[in-house]
Amino acid sequence: ETGVTQTPRHLVMGMTNKKSLKCEQHLGHNAMYWYKQSAKKPLELMFVYNFKEQTENNSVPSRFSPECPNSSHLFLHLHTLQPEDSALYLCASSLVSSGTPVTGELFFGEGSRLTVL
Amino acid sequence: GEDVEQSLFLSVREGDSSVINCTYTDSSSTYLYWYKQEPGAGLQLLTYIFSNMDMKQDQRLTVLLNKKDKHLSLRIADTQTGDSAIYFCAENTDKLIFGTGTRLQVFP
Repeated sequence: ETGVTQTPRHLVMGMTNKKSLKCEQHLGHNAMYWYKQSAKKPLELMFVYNFKEQTENNSVPSRFSPECPNSSHLFLHLHTLQPEDSALYLCASSLVSSGTPVTGELFFGEGSRLTVL
Repeated sequence: GEDVEQSLFLSVREGDSSVINCTYTDSSSTYLYWYKQEPGAGLQLLTYIFSNMDMKQDQRLTVLLNKKDKHLSLRIADTQTGDSAIYFCAENTDKLIFGTGTRLQVFP
């Protein structure tokens, strides 16, 4: 049990669908992250929220829309995705001070495996 | 720009030592990390080293840091089948930058 829970674990969607990924953390952390993991590529930081405010958007296409209603929950809304968006999407959380992880340790969920047909 | 590079695969025999290598670009990184991802799971912090250290040992794990060459390595002694996983190197500037991960396969 990592304290970071992601749902769904697996998602298959068509290019015209709209779906959402959900992440929840029970660790009392104040920062949450979305990462994209694709085969043979570096783990790619997508979005960062510190104290519910988005502080990082790494040139992510607008078909990915994050939402952070509170410091415990993070969503990734998906619409009109492309087949190349198929990947494992990892959520993580950490404790930050002045925007920088206090210890550098991120706590990851198990990921949502997304397949776009 | 910030970049962390690792080889993609490593295969070792059970009982041998494994050495996973990583190069990074940002010399201002204060910490460098090794994360482990087991099958079907997220990443977990395995160990880390502060940038003013050359070496850190933690049971079967030895981390070596060469700041001049911006080279980080993770040595696993007496590698076991349970060590089979993907190992990610990461540098910490104002955010964590990860490499591609090295898939370690341990065979009997």
